[in-house]
Amino acid sequence: DTAVSQTPKYLVTQMGNDKSIKCEQNLGHDTMYWYKQDSKKFLKIMFSYNNKELIINETVPNRFSPKSPDKAHLNLHINSLELGDSAVYFCASSLTRGRGFITGELFFGEGSRLTVL
Amino acid sequence: AQKITQTQPGMFVQEKEAVTLDCTYDTSDPSYGLFWYKQPSSGEMIFLIYQGSYDQQNATEGRYSLNFQKARKSANLVISASQLGDSAMYFCAMREGIIIQGAQKLVFGQGTRLTINP
Repeated sequence: DTAVSQTPKYLVTQMGNDKSIKCEQNLGHDTMYWYKQDSKKFLKIMFSYNNKELIINETVPNRFSPKSPDKAHLNLHINSLELGDSAVYFCASSLTRGRGFITGELFFGEGSRLTVL
Repeated sequence: AQKITQTQPGMFVQEKEAVTLDCTYDTSDPSYGLFWYKQPSSGEMIFLIYQGSYDQQNATEGRYSLNFQKARKSANLVISASQLGDSAMYFCAMREGIIIQGAQKLVFGQGTRLTINP
């Protein structure tokens, strides 16, 4: 019963290739995110989607393109991979509207470790 | 400017001792939320505790408590009676402003690697 699941967990690929990471959440959340964790463990937001609509688009190269077919899925496609893209990519989700008290905490997937050779 | 600062890259503590992980933040928004996450060596991010800027009391969750000092802009995590399984990276994070659909983002600190020694 994984709440936020990402596939694949590991990706090893050559420079110049295109790759995708898929993410699904079964928490009924309305907002999903992609975060990147670099080799120094620093976590930075890349994108945020709310009900399939792109809301946050941080300074990320155009080679990164998120796609949200519905509010439970958020995929990340990366074109022309570069060495500097090697990182762990985390998908996350949160609830930003609902009954009761909302903290807005993020629920993270297990991460997808991308290695570009 | 750094929004979240964690000044301790690494901490070493004896099992069963209490440990305090430091976090200071920078915001001019009166409404914000502060979070702590744990990342064990297996890599997943685990939510530990939340503190809202208007909360009158410090947040507590089991062995975790948050020492919230608003005037100092600090939100230190206190782990009581540490256990070997507490060894992990710990991240402090902040959400500025109120929660708006999809527009909220958490900004993370650099993390503190905590090692519990037997």
